[in-house]
Amino acid sequence: QKEVEQDPGPLSVPEGAIVSLNCTYSNSAFQYFMWYRQYSRKGPELLMYTYSSGNKEDGRFTAQVDKSSKYISLFIRDSQPSDSATYLCAINSGAGSYQLTFGKGTKLSVIP
Amino acid sequence: EAEVAQSPRYKITEKSQAVAFWCDPISGHATLYWYRQILGQGPELLVQFQDESVVDDSQLPKDRFSAERLKGVDSTLKIQPAELGDSAMYLCASSFGVAGGEDTQYFGPGTRLTVL
Repeated sequence: QKEVEQDPGPLSVPEGAIVSLNCTYSNSAFQYFMWYRQYSRKGPELLMYTYSSGNKEDGRFTAQVDKSSKYISLFIRDSQPSDSATYLCAINSGAGSYQLTFGKGTKLSVIP
Repeated sequence: EAEVAQSPRYKITEKSQAVAFWCDPISGHATLYWYRQILGQGPELLVQFQDESVVDDSQLPKDRFSAERLKGVDSTLKIQPAELGDSAMYLCASSFGVAGGEDTQYFGPGTRLTVL
């Protein structure tokens, strides 16, 4: 079992829809949870960062962590064509480690 | 806004040739990472530097890959000889180097390598 599992999609939604992107992880030591957005032929850019369990909101984006289920989610409200990209979850164990473990990424297309 | 610079952006080479990629991190960032991203996969760490020292190169195929960061600033990743399976995006990232997870990694645009 990989440490981080993410459905690669692709996921196609109409403009204005609510999008739900998810990852599961296996190591309960993970404490820091991130979502990166990667446009085609570009490097990943940090979108959201969450420590431990709970929700974090930033504009149209909400990151949610459920450590009891080892499940993390990213919700996008009122999705826009400019949100079309690959979304990568990334996890860090903390405890002195800098390293990130990435999911495969989910490719999202928002259709006008 | 400061960015991580990488060059070249694209590289096409024949197998058995040598290739080199260059990365200039954000000024003041002590930690530098090289990742490989195969199409349809997430980035996988190849090597991590703290200043000029290698912190982790356990995933670097050392028979053909080498990386250096001589003055603790910019870095070079080399492949010699290149193999067909090396075709991928090579990403460089940098961060301040704060341990414990609260350390944002900023990625460059990547170098897309095609080995023919």
